[in-house]
Amino acid sequence: GAGVSQTPSNKVTEKGKYVELRCDPISGHTALYWYRQSLGQGPEFLIYFQGTGAADDSGLPNDRFFAVRPEGSVSTLKIQRTERGDSAVYLCASSLNAGRGGELFFGEGSRLTVL
Amino acid sequence: QKEVEQDPGPLSVPEGAIVSLNCTYSNSAFQYFMWYRQYSRKGPELLMYTYSSGNKEDGRFTAQVDKSSKYISLFIRDSQPSDSATYLCAMSAGYQKVTFGTGTKLQVIP
Repeated sequence: GAGVSQTPSNKVTEKGKYVELRCDPISGHTALYWYRQSLGQGPEFLIYFQGTGAADDSGLPNDRFFAVRPEGSVSTLKIQRTERGDSAVYLCASSLNAGRGGELFFGEGSRLTVL
Repeated sequence: QKEVEQDPGPLSVPEGAIVSLNCTYSNSAFQYFMWYRQYSRKGPELLMYTYSSGNKEDGRFTAQVDKSSKYISLFIRDSQPSDSATYLCAMSAGYQKVTFGTGTKLQVIP
């Protein structure tokens, strides 16, 4: 596709369940970012990949959150034992090269609601 | 203290007005400065991208960066109702995470 694709667009789950969110970046983009956005707030950095490796995972809030990008393209954000405080929009973005410092192309986001 | 500070607004202006949006930051390593526009329930879209200090103009939009004051601005001339959105400033040192402000919600009244 032409843009960043995120699935699912909406996910409702119960407290304690496991969730996976998928991101398909723009073809050829080597850098991939995950952000979390709560209502009325700016995107909060979680993790970014340069190729297959996590170049910076300092934003992951705790060990319940994990992300992979095994082949340097599609990425999956995994959340274990979900809590109500995890409810937010999870945004994925890709960039041609992380060295360009912020030319990010975002997807529409995955809206997660934990009941 | 947050690395990037941005007044959340909301800011309400009449159609045709000049809008000024601002951010301050504390990290002197930031070299790349961006403005993103986000419509309700959509992902942010890149509006302006600048490297280091100076001005950049694109149509009705002008971005200014003053690294000595750690202050960036976005000006919108002849504002239109379609400009109503949340404007996010963002910054990076390159090959590092991109840090966003909280966003300023703008409403342009016809």
